Amino acid sequence: EVQLVESGGGLVQPGRSLRLSCVTSGFTFDDYALHWVRQAPGKGLEWVSSITWDSVTVHYADSVKGRFTISRDNAKKSLFLQMNSLRAEDTAFYYCARDPDRFSTSYYFDNWGRGTLVSVSS
Amino acid sequence: QLVLTQSPSASASLGASVKLTCTLSNGLSTYAIAWHQVQPEKGPRYLLKINSDGSHTKGDGIPDRISGSTSGADRYLTISSLQSEDEADYYCQTWGPGIHYVFGTGTKVTVL
Repeated sequence: EVQLVESGGGLVQPGRSLRLSCVTSGFTFDDYALHWVRQAPGKGLEWVSSITWDSVTVHYADSVKGRFTISRDNAKKSLFLQMNSLRAEDTAFYYCARDPDRFSTSYYFDNWGRGTLVSVSS
Repeated sequence: QLVLTQSPSASASLGASVKLTCTLSNGLSTYAIAWHQVQPEKGPRYLLKINSDGSHTKGDGIPDRISGSTSGADRYLTISSLQSEDEADYYCQTWGPGIHYVFGTGTKVTVL
């Protein structure tokens, strides 16, 4: 069974940093592109960032470009999101999600985690 | 600009059917989309991907009473034999060159 478990969320002041983690199991981690998607309270889903299976290519939404960094550790089967210069509008549940196909990017998500809540407030 | 349009809400009685629509903008009728379900207090769940020709790929464990179809720039999600657990928000999602990932605004389904 594919599992993705996020952690690292919490309450943080504007301008500070936070690092999210997503530990995975149930599939060959090295073979799949991975993504972060967020949902602000009462709002819809918003894609945040993606990383290819080989870490060669990363992409970011304009709203987080220059502030967030996605990375992965294949040995630990983990995905990370380093979030710097946090803003109130970054408050959301952050979900880790997997791309469906091996060694490629299919541009949608076939498995999701349950999310971790990031609250940015003074 | 790539935009996905969804009705904000839909409702149907327990045991009935509901058909949700996701419309691709600017006549982008060749694009595939994916449907995702978000239940209260749970993470999102992938339901299925629909291609422009109507063929679709379901997620693991998605029952037969959930299906997808297409007509022009519209992509549909039909849920038959509605159950209380189907009460959730449903999002369509697509992708494009340089645009990466786009979500619709979501449809809230209420089971009466």
